[in-house]
Amino acid sequence: GAGVSQSPSNKVTEKGKDVELRCDPISGHTALYWYRQSLGQGLEFLIYFQGNSAPDKSGLPSDRFSAERTGGSVSTLTIQRTQQEDSAVYLCASSLTGSGNTIYFGEGSWLTVV
Amino acid sequence: RKEVEQDPGPFNVPEGATVAFNCTYSNSASQSFFWYRQDCRKEPKLLMSVYSSGNEDGRFTAQLNRASQYISLLIRDSKLSDSATYLCVVLTFNQAGTALIFGKGTTLSVSS
Repeated sequence: GAGVSQSPSNKVTEKGKDVELRCDPISGHTALYWYRQSLGQGLEFLIYFQGNSAPDKSGLPSDRFSAERTGGSVSTLTIQRTQQEDSAVYLCASSLTGSGNTIYFGEGSWLTVV
Repeated sequence: RKEVEQDPGPFNVPEGATVAFNCTYSNSASQSFFWYRQDCRKEPKLLMSVYSSGNEDGRFTAQLNRASQYISLLIRDSKLSDSATYLCVVLTFNQAGTALIFGKGTTLSVSS
């Protein structure tokens, strides 16, 4: 479809393993956001990409978390040495630009660390 | 003071009721404002943008008061299908660029 696409939709991993989550934003959208939401909690900002500018990484909770955006389109969020507290849904969103346009969310990647 | 604050609720109302949610924001330089709706275990979806002049979409009315730094959402004639969490979203420019700040949401439960 034409929406934000995320994969995998569900991931169960063992504690200590690395995981990669992928986000394919809406075509033409220059702004891309990653958020995390634990069960019953609000959205927690992780990282924001805008065009070719340096990303805003201020929300990444630890150095185990990193993200990149290749070619201004697809983004990958990597979590190294996963911990049980990393279990959450990871939501990606995109907008046409970063300045006031509607933000569209993907369906999320549900991560469970066991 | 939190950047975006909402009453978490829950608001439990009967069908047909009118219910209002408020949201306050701390950064007076905030540029854009939105209400998103999030169903249980689903992603947030845009309900409506909030304009300075106020705007209405069917049973939903959004208003912005820049002087008092609050945003409101009014739902008239509540339906069972309105049961969800309503997220107040504020877009602000800061040193790092654009910051999209979400409130923690207000939960609405409409019963028959």
